[in-house]
Amino acid sequence: GAVVSQHPSRVICKSGTSVKIECRSLDFQATTMFWYRQFPKQSLMLMATSNEGSKATYEQGVEKDKFLINHASLTLSTLTVTSAHPEDSSFYICSARVLAGGSDTQYFGPGTRLTVL
Amino acid sequence: GENVEQHPSTLSVQEGDSAVIKCTYSDSASNYFPWYKQELGKGPQLIIDIRSNVGEKKDQRIAVTLNKTAKHFSLHITETQPEDSAVYFCAASITQFYFGTGTSLTVIP
Repeated sequence: GAVVSQHPSRVICKSGTSVKIECRSLDFQATTMFWYRQFPKQSLMLMATSNEGSKATYEQGVEKDKFLINHASLTLSTLTVTSAHPEDSSFYICSARVLAGGSDTQYFGPGTRLTVL
Repeated sequence: GENVEQHPSTLSVQEGDSAVIKCTYSDSASNYFPWYKQELGKGPQLIIDIRSNVGEKKDQRIAVTLNKTAKHFSLHITETQPEDSAVYFCAASITQFYFGTGTSLTVIP
């Protein structure tokens, strides 16, 4: 299947700082990427849909000014958590949408564990 | 919007036995149903999927069945092995993916 990478895999930061997480599709182009948040022992919560060349679409309740998404190219989307606070600590996972040969699915990255002190 | 329910939330089986996880969905327009396996500290990995024009799909020890009339689909794992232990998520999709709440599967050696 398609490979999606995330960087960093783990990050610890101080409260009030900003953290950038990168999501890359390694062997395909992704016009659409998704950002999810996952709390321990819970399902994936969609935060936003990232479209190359246009503004991201945020889910209800997700602050777009706090979670900045940029889809700079067909292989890269970034999520920046601005002015991070301890409650932002979570597992952030991106996925890339693959449209090929009538198939439409998502492949996930390995996730980024964010800890805000 | 779509609502996906998944059962059971936890499942323990003896090595070699079969495991079945079931999901129901509410929107009859959903046409794509993937299953993901997530190991601790990792991202979900697609293990099998099925589209609404197919009733069953099999890949070695893993199979998925879909009942469109009843709006439910199931994951079947046969001859379970300890490395099958993980959290499994179902999803239903039209354009956006709607995930189930996950099933923690433990295969006891």
